[in-house]
Amino acid sequence: EPEVTQTPSHQVTQMGQEVILRCVPISNHLYFYWYRQILGQKVEFLVSFYNNEISEKSEIFDDQFSVERPDGSNFTLKIRSTKLEDSAMYFCATKDRVGTGELFFGEGSRLTVL
Amino acid sequence: QQQVKQSPQSLIVQKGGISIINCAYENTAFDYFPWYQQFPGKGPALLIAIRPDVSEKKEGRFTISFNKSAKQFSLHIMDSQPGDSATYFCAASRAGSQGNLIFGKGTKLSVKP
Repeated sequence: EPEVTQTPSHQVTQMGQEVILRCVPISNHLYFYWYRQILGQKVEFLVSFYNNEISEKSEIFDDQFSVERPDGSNFTLKIRSTKLEDSAMYFCATKDRVGTGELFFGEGSRLTVL
Repeated sequence: QQQVKQSPQSLIVQKGGISIINCAYENTAFDYFPWYQQFPGKGPALLIAIRPDVSEKKEGRFTISFNKSAKQFSLHIMDSQPGDSATYFCAASRAGSQGNLIFGKGTKLSVKP
């Protein structure tokens, strides 16, 4: 079964450091998303990305965050200067088409900011 | 208006029983209502989804009931099994924005053998 692969599975960083989370989408998928889940809370939308540009973003996705697909395979989320409150599980999700195509989630990258 | 309210927060059901989880929304622009299942340490996985033009959708032991006028939808798990023990999230999205899912807070289901 095709799957979305995320790395690292867990990253610990110091406050103020830059972090890059990586996602390898399912091969024929064109729509990419990042979500986050603070421990014990609901899953929250961060950003959607299609055709090499952001199509939609939430209030959470401020100037500290950026996304790109630098090499046509990996889809990355960068947090420029991490804060304590960025500690969460970050999920990459992808789908093959707009509309009712199923959204496939990766297993997540746990970010711990100290 | 962007919220999806989910209840209960946790649910304990005996094996073979029916698990029912409820969600309510306010935004009438929502037109896609999926349910996701999440096991510890894993990402959410789509379980079943419905659009507002039907009132019920069934897939195996899982059924979504949808009440458009009340702006409510629910997940019913028939013949609940210990393997169904997981956290269940309802979600909703607007037309043309179906990757931007608004999730409920989740229901932790425990099915006792």
